[in-house]
Amino acid sequence: QVQLVQSGAEVKKPGASVKVSCKASGYTFTSYNLHWVRQAPGQGLEWMGIIFHTAGNTDYAERFRGRVTITRDPSTSTVYMELSSLRSEDTAIYYCAREPPVAYYFDNWGQGTLVTVSS
Amino acid sequence: EIVLTQSPGTLSLSPGERATLSCRASQSVTSSWLVWYQQKPGQAPRLLIYGASSRATGIPDRFSGSGSGTDFTLTISRLEPEDFAMYYCQQYDTSSYTYTFGQGTKLELK
Repeated sequence: QVQLVQSGAEVKKPGASVKVSCKASGYTFTSYNLHWVRQAPGQGLEWMGIIFHTAGNTDYAERFRGRVTITRDPSTSTVYMELSSLRSEDTAIYYCAREPPVAYYFDNWGQGTLVTVSS
Repeated sequence: EIVLTQSPGTLSLSPGERATLSCRASQSVTSSWLVWYQQKPGQAPRLLIYGASSRATGIPDRFSGSGSGTDFTLTISRLEPEDFAMYYCQQYDTSSYTYTFGQGTKLELK
């Protein structure tokens, strides 16, 4: 079955960077786009960016451009999301999510990774 | 950028009742790209409805979606205890190449 397994919780200081991983299994990794979505405590869902399955190119939500980098390692079926210049408002659960081909929605999600930014 | 507004913010109902959740877009949305998710506390969202009205795999038929243009609805015909959760709509905006979510509706036990 499809599984997206994310790395564990992180605690970071303001100004630092965090890198969260998402290991995919149960399907052909290079056939699906993967996204990152975050959720601040008690808040809604916010799309951050996508890595395309074809060439591994990326696109990011405007508010995160310049601070977020999504990469992948097809040899291990793993996607990474790195967020830099962290501030307290970045405290959130970060999810990876799979998009079926040309679907524009997310059919499978990782379990989430809590990133806490605190001095 | 298209904004999705969900209403009501909180819906208080009892098991067996019918729930009607609304998602209104600030501009017309392609129905093919309007979806609904359910999220329970401590869990990741789960896909319920895609293409505005198609149920995802394994979703009970008491869940249905409808609508077009700017107005979309998620209906739960007879609430079960496990249906009390947060619900989010989401769409893909072809003009800005972004994915946006509504702010959510909390369906709570009355």
